Amino acid sequence: DAGVTQSPTHLIKTRGQQVTLRCSPKSGHDTVSWYQQALGQGPQFIFQYYEEEERQRGNFPDRFSGHQFPNYSSELNVNALLLGDSALYLCASSLFGAGDTIYFGEGSWLTVV
Amino acid sequence: GDSVTQMEGPVTLSEEAFLTINCTYTATGYPSLFWYVQYPGEGLQLLLKATKADDKGSNKGFEATYRKETTSFHLEKGSVQVSDSAVYFCALSSGGTSYGKLTFGQGTILTVHP
Repeated sequence: DAGVTQSPTHLIKTRGQQVTLRCSPKSGHDTVSWYQQALGQGPQFIFQYYEEEERQRGNFPDRFSGHQFPNYSSELNVNALLLGDSALYLCASSLFGAGDTIYFGEGSWLTVV
Repeated sequence: GDSVTQMEGPVTLSEEAFLTINCTYTATGYPSLFWYVQYPGEGLQLLLKATKADDKGSNKGFEATYRKETTSFHLEKGSVQVSDSAVYFCALSSGGTSYGKLTFGQGTILTVHP
């Protein structure tokens, strides 16, 4: 049973560029959330997708956008990258309405230079 | 809004010592509470959870009890091992319109020496 998978694992981008991160949820899950974890901090909720719509959003600017596909996989897009966007981006999956058990992927390490 | 506060770390222990990591929370309603663990270079793994007051979550020798009266969910282990060295995060989910959204504490680094 495949868990939550994310790609790429590491990437380096230049300020002002755009980045797309990808996530496949755990088999049987239909809800995907994204978190940003800065070095030495706890993860911060970015947004959540269910039924291909953004259902909840944390305190992040519009530069952060996402998408969910019919197969439940998801993308996180960040435009106009800033140095402060350097972080570990975590994807989490769950089954909507089936309790609060949430599984995380290994994350994508983004470095902005 | 929801918030989670963990004891300031890091925590350094010798093998077989007793571990306590304090966690308190502020939330609306009746949240579910979680402990996640993050090993070096890895993502988050669910360690244990509790969904209502007085519930005790347990896994791999770790335990935490949901205390509504003190809004706490302290993590304990009777005898730690070197392999327990990791970062531990306390988290909550308020449910309702916030279903599936986790609010995390800042994390506590645990180092266990042989």
